[in-house]
Amino acid sequence: DSGVTQTPKHLITATGQRVTLRCSPRSGDLSVYWYQQSLDQGLQFLIQYYNGEERAKGNILERFSAQQFPDLHSELNLSSLELGDSALYFCASSASPAPRGNTEAFFGQGTRLTVV
Amino acid sequence: AQTVTQSQPEMSVQEAETVTLSCTYDTSESNYYLFWYKQPPSRQMILVIRQEAYKQQNATENRFSVNFQKAAKSFSLKISDSQLGDTAMYFCAFSDQTGANNLFFGTGTRLTVIP
Repeated sequence: DSGVTQTPKHLITATGQRVTLRCSPRSGDLSVYWYQQSLDQGLQFLIQYYNGEERAKGNILERFSAQQFPDLHSELNLSSLELGDSALYFCASSASPAPRGNTEAFFGQGTRLTVV
Repeated sequence: AQTVTQSQPEMSVQEAETVTLSCTYDTSESNYYLFWYKQPPSRQMILVIRQEAYKQQNATENRFSVNFQKAAKSFSLKISDSQLGDTAMYFCAFSDQTGANNLFFGTGTRLTVIP
């Protein structure tokens, strides 16, 4: 158990809908990262928050947004869903702003989103 | 832009044997970090081993070791005495210190340990 909790584990929704994925980081970790893993692909970085503020942005679509709350949990909002958004969405947390060698990034078990 | 390439989509190894997974990367940075993550069928991403680019000594964690060739931008993972529990996807990842603050992943190598 990494200590990072993601809910829900599975989500099935229709095209055009909006969903919210939730992540609770490890106790004490200030950084939260969101990654997308499409079928048979590596993980693609979407966005990072550090202590409530957006720190870095990767290949995140405009239809997607995220935030980190004062209690440090984070939510990833996906709207106007398309079939191609079906993927595993991972959240990771670390103590420092960057997942450097001395500060490991711990991953949750992911949320599998299926858009039908 | 940083890229990470894993040229072996699938590999297999006999139990108790040794296997090496390849990874190359491209960066203009001088200091960075490299990682190998394991993703078993449970989907959990588990850090296997990490290497800091400024350290010349290859990292070792029990049965797992790396061959880090900075000039060649190569970072291979060697698994010794392979066990059935090593069956998983293995991802090579890169992180720099310039503020990108995220991991760049390769496409992974699916390793199967054969009993």
